[in-house]
Amino acid sequence: DGGITQSPKYLFRKEGQNVTLSCEQNLNHDAMYWYRQDPGQGLRLIYYSQIVNDFQKGDIAEGYSVSREKKESFPLTVTSAQKNPTAFYLCASSTLAGVDNEQFFGPGTRLTVL
Amino acid sequence: AQSVTQLGSHVSVSEGALVLLRCNYSSSVPPYLFWYVQYPNQGLQLLLKYTSAATLVKGINGFEAEFKKSETSFHLTKPSAHMSDAAEYFCAVSLNTGGFKTIFGAGTRLFVKA
Repeated sequence: DGGITQSPKYLFRKEGQNVTLSCEQNLNHDAMYWYRQDPGQGLRLIYYSQIVNDFQKGDIAEGYSVSREKKESFPLTVTSAQKNPTAFYLCASSTLAGVDNEQFFGPGTRLTVL
Repeated sequence: AQSVTQLGSHVSVSEGALVLLRCNYSSSVPPYLFWYVQYPNQGLQLLLKYTSAATLVKGINGFEAEFKKSETSFHLTKPSAHMSDAAEYFCAVSLNTGGFKTIFGAGTRLFVKA
């Protein structure tokens, strides 16, 4: 089955530590996205990538970093510079051929800072 | 600038009653509009999308939405609520030029009472 996987499902981090969230897709999509979800705030875009080895900052990129070395993978690192990282993180992907940009989402990773 | 406003962060209906979730958008160009559903601790799933082919759009699970340009609205409806419809619903807007950023509303949580 084609889809998007995210791991781990739950992640706990101590203050001052960097952590990396995994996102893999086998849909052959060119574009991938990372969103942060907080209660009552909807989804906010962190980073997105349209092609391998290229990515752009979204609306709340500070304290985060990404890489896109392979088409199917788009890992997100939450650095110690992110002051309030506790949130639900969602990865998504889409084709670039369709003009409507329907996005397919992974199951999410819940990050908690202890 | 594009934006999406969902009226009501929480909506409660009785099982069998009409479901109406409101969404208004602003866009300087003809928009592509989406409704996504999110069940607890899961990713988002596409319910339906408007891509200018027809103003009344039918989606999965008996949901439909009507695009009204004069009212800049894209409200989601279902004639008869089921307990399984309890979830959070997000309205989203995307540029019709195939832009890679989608703007999500803050979400409306639907409660269904027995």
